[in-house]
Amino acid sequence: DTAVSQTPKYLVTQMGNDKSIKCEQNLGHDTMYWYKQDSKKFLKIMFSYNNKELIINETVPNRFSPKSPDKAHLNLHINSLELGDSAVYFCASSGTGVGVSEAFFGQGTRLTVV
Amino acid sequence: RKEVEQDPGPFNVPEGATVAFNCTYSNSASQSFFWYRQDCRKEPKLLMSVYSSGNEDGRFTAQLNRASQYISLLIRDSKLSDSATYLCVVMVGGGNKLTFGTGTQLKVEL
Repeated sequence: DTAVSQTPKYLVTQMGNDKSIKCEQNLGHDTMYWYKQDSKKFLKIMFSYNNKELIINETVPNRFSPKSPDKAHLNLHINSLELGDSAVYFCASSGTGVGVSEAFFGQGTRLTVV
Repeated sequence: RKEVEQDPGPFNVPEGATVAFNCTYSNSASQSFFWYRQDCRKEPKLLMSVYSSGNEDGRFTAQLNRASQYISLLIRDSKLSDSATYLCVVMVGGGNKLTFGTGTQLKVEL
C-alpha cells in the first residue's frame, strides 16, 4: 500500500508542450512538497503546501504551477516545457512541527524534454 | 555559502571498514536534522534523525554539534548494501522546508 504515489513514473515530451504530474499521499499528512533533482543529483525544493495552502514557493519559473485540490493531493503542471526542465521530480509529504518532520517521498517522475 | 554542505565523494571503502561523513549547515536557527539515504534511481528515504545528544541505530551513529553547526554520520562494519548516497537534511524551526545537502556517495567494495 503505497504511502506517496506519483504518476507518471516516466514522461518524455517535446519542447513547448504542457504536462502534469500527479501526487497523492495516504498518510494523513498536512504538508506536501515538490522537489526537483537535476542531473547533478541535487535535490531542491520547489513548492510546499500545508493544508492546501501554498507556503513555500522557491524561485521557480511561472511555467510551473502547483495545485492542491485537497491536503492528500498535490499536482504539478508545467507549461511550455524547456530542455532544462529535464530532471526527476519528487513529491513528498510530512507531518508538521518539530519531531514529526520525517518526509516520505514518492518514487519520482523522470521527465525528459526533447 | 550553501545552506547545507557535504563532501560529494565518492568514498570507496572495503567491506567491514568504518566510514564517517560530515555535513555543515549555515542557518543557526535550524532545529531538526536528518540523514536520508538515496539508492541509485530511487527516492530518498529517512535513515535516521539526529538528536542533540547523539543517537545510534545499529551500525549507524549520528552526532550533532550545534556550536560548530555540523552533523556527522558514522557507519561501522560497512556492508555492500550500504552503497548509496547519503543526504544531510536540515529543517529550520517547526516549518515545512527540508533543505538537502548535495549528498555523499558511498561505495563499499569487496
